[in-house]
Amino acid sequence: GAVVSQHPSRVICKSGTSVKIECRSLDFQATTMFWYRQFPKKSLMLMATSNEGSKATYEQGVEKDKFLINHASLTLSTLTVTSAHPEDSSFYICSAIGRGSETQYFGPGTRLLVL
Amino acid sequence: AQTVTQSQPEMSVQEAETVTLSCTYDTSESDYYLFWYKQPPSRQMILVIRQEAYKQQNATENRFSVNFQKAAKSFSLKISDSQLGDAAMYFCAYRGPPGTYKYIFGTGTRLKVLA
Repeated sequence: GAVVSQHPSRVICKSGTSVKIECRSLDFQATTMFWYRQFPKKSLMLMATSNEGSKATYEQGVEKDKFLINHASLTLSTLTVTSAHPEDSSFYICSAIGRGSETQYFGPGTRLLVL
Repeated sequence: AQTVTQSQPEMSVQEAETVTLSCTYDTSESDYYLFWYKQPPSRQMILVIRQEAYKQQNATENRFSVNFQKAAKSFSLKISDSQLGDAAMYFCAYRGPPGTYKYIFGTGTRLKVLA
């Protein structure tokens, strides 16, 4: 149980385009989902927290107009990187937590490369 | 503010031997949760073990066990009978009382298992 999927696993795009990453909880309802960014050999950096049906809460320094987060249902959250630039290239990971749970379950991550 | 410190950037262990990864944290809360996650080369974050602060008994999961010292704010992970598949980055994480969902991650410890 507690499986989280992410799609796509890898994406290459041109500078200036937008990219959407999906995060799904497959076997539980995720009341809260999180989006992280991870640089090589570094820890996870929390970007934002989203609750189903409400606006995401962004961490300090994260541009909300650049990283659009939508948590439309209890099983789906999306991260859209708008007008992507090479410096947005990174590994993005989502996680989800179910009602009454203390544990975050993580997706497999998405590697974004912006050319 | 809460902090999590992993002072060992890298550790090595011989196959079948035992290794301990250290983690210290700082918080003023009395009720919280602590986690160890494993991130193998695939970069999928996998929950290894979880500890509730109100429980005095140390958590165990097969070959993995923790030494939770609440007064010292220490939460070390012991891996017994190390296997090649244990090679990974290990992250210690702190989560506050019920109602708070964000994790604070340590910087990670890279574990190498020598055949």
